[in-house]
Amino acid sequence: QQQVKQSPQSLIVQKGGIPIINCAYENTAFDYFPWYQQFPGKGPALLIAIRPDVSEKKEGRFTISFNKSAKQFSLHIMDSQPGDSATYFCAASKTGANNLFFGTGTRLTVIP
Amino acid sequence: DARVTQTPRHKVTEMGQEVTMRCQPILGHNTVFWYRQTMMQGLELLAYFRNRAPLDDSGMPKDRFSAEMPDATLATLKIQPSEPRDSAVYFCASGLQGGKGTQYFGPGTRLTVL
Repeated sequence: QQQVKQSPQSLIVQKGGIPIINCAYENTAFDYFPWYQQFPGKGPALLIAIRPDVSEKKEGRFTISFNKSAKQFSLHIMDSQPGDSATYFCAASKTGANNLFFGTGTRLTVIP
Repeated sequence: DARVTQTPRHKVTEMGQEVTMRCQPILGHNTVFWYRQTMMQGLELLAYFRNRAPLDDSGMPKDRFSAEMPDATLATLKIQPSEPRDSAVYFCASGLQGGKGTQYFGPGTRLTVL
């Protein structure tokens, strides 16, 4: 059973657009929600993360929106650039557990 | 610049052969994870260790896969015998229990079983 559901599977946007990637989870014990970015031929790398005590976190052009009651969180990329083209994974875990439950990934393509 | 290292980066082998992949976690990290990534299944957790002890290997086919941590600086994933369906990229990641929960991934081993 997929603990974290991610959509869409792929996304194509024009440069400057705002791609949005959505994730949903079931386990209310989860309290850590990171996003990982993976470029071809590389391992995933932590991009940004949020805990449920806030509804939004912004780091540069990347923003996580978190809706605790709906058990959903999303990644927004402002002013997207071709260099943002990568696969993005959402994940969830609970404090102390360390193992992350990953979504299935979204392949983002930003067209110049 | 601390990073997780994995060897080999690429491996091509024939069905039935033994494959051993190695990982050096970031110094001081006490949790190590093995993942397999394929187009069809995405990122699958195979096994993970805390303080060198295996905590969960339920994602791993037990009959052919084995994971060990001979010491704190080395984790191994072995497949014997290998099969074409094992072709994938295998990632090792390390982290610190009690930390923020961040996992740091290595560059992966791309395995092709012919």
